[in-house]
Amino acid sequence: GAVVSQHPSWVICKSGTSVKIECRSLDFQATTMFWYRQFPKQSLMLMATSNEGSKATYEQGVEKDKFLINHASLTLSTLTVTSAHPEDSSFYICSARDRVSEQYFGPGTRLTVT
Amino acid sequence: QKEVEQDPGPLSVPEGAIVSLNCTYSNSAFQYFMWYRQYSRKGPELLMYTYSSGNKEDGRFTAQVDKSSKYISLFIRDSQPSDSATYLCAMSGPGDYKLSFGAGTTVTVRA
Repeated sequence: GAVVSQHPSWVICKSGTSVKIECRSLDFQATTMFWYRQFPKQSLMLMATSNEGSKATYEQGVEKDKFLINHASLTLSTLTVTSAHPEDSSFYICSARDRVSEQYFGPGTRLTVT
Repeated sequence: QKEVEQDPGPLSVPEGAIVSLNCTYSNSAFQYFMWYRQYSRKGPELLMYTYSSGNKEDGRFTAQVDKSSKYISLFIRDSQPSDSATYLCAMSGPGDYKLSFGAGTTVTVRA
């Protein structure tokens, strides 16, 4: 089946610094990638949708200047959390959509901001 | 009112029992229906994918969609402790790649 990887799986950073999370589709080309945030015991909240070579579309309430998304190739998208604060601590999950219609999720990245 | 409603549980069953999960939704445009399994601190894993109404079976898993009632179900037969996880329903409309998720139901299968 389709495999999506994320790196790193867990990151701790100090308040005010920036963190980059990578999402890769390993065995298929992803025309669209999605970034989600999940707080403990809650469902996934879509943050943004990115298409290769174009600007990401952010959901209402998500700060585009704080959560920078780059989708430079059909297999790689990155999410950069800029000037991170403790309230940004969460589980960030990406998914990639193949040309059919299914979405495949990455294993997630746990971000802790101290 | 949320677009997708799912009872968060928790749901606890003995090993070998049938697990019954369901979601209701309000958007009649939804045509694609999915069930994901998520273990603690892991990404969701696609279990079942159904288009429009009907039933779909895959091993111990059966997914049902009733579009007239805006109601979907997932049944897990002969449940195992390894089935203990959170189960998320998700759905989308035609040409809409964004998924609308339920809150997720936490299931524990007791050995």
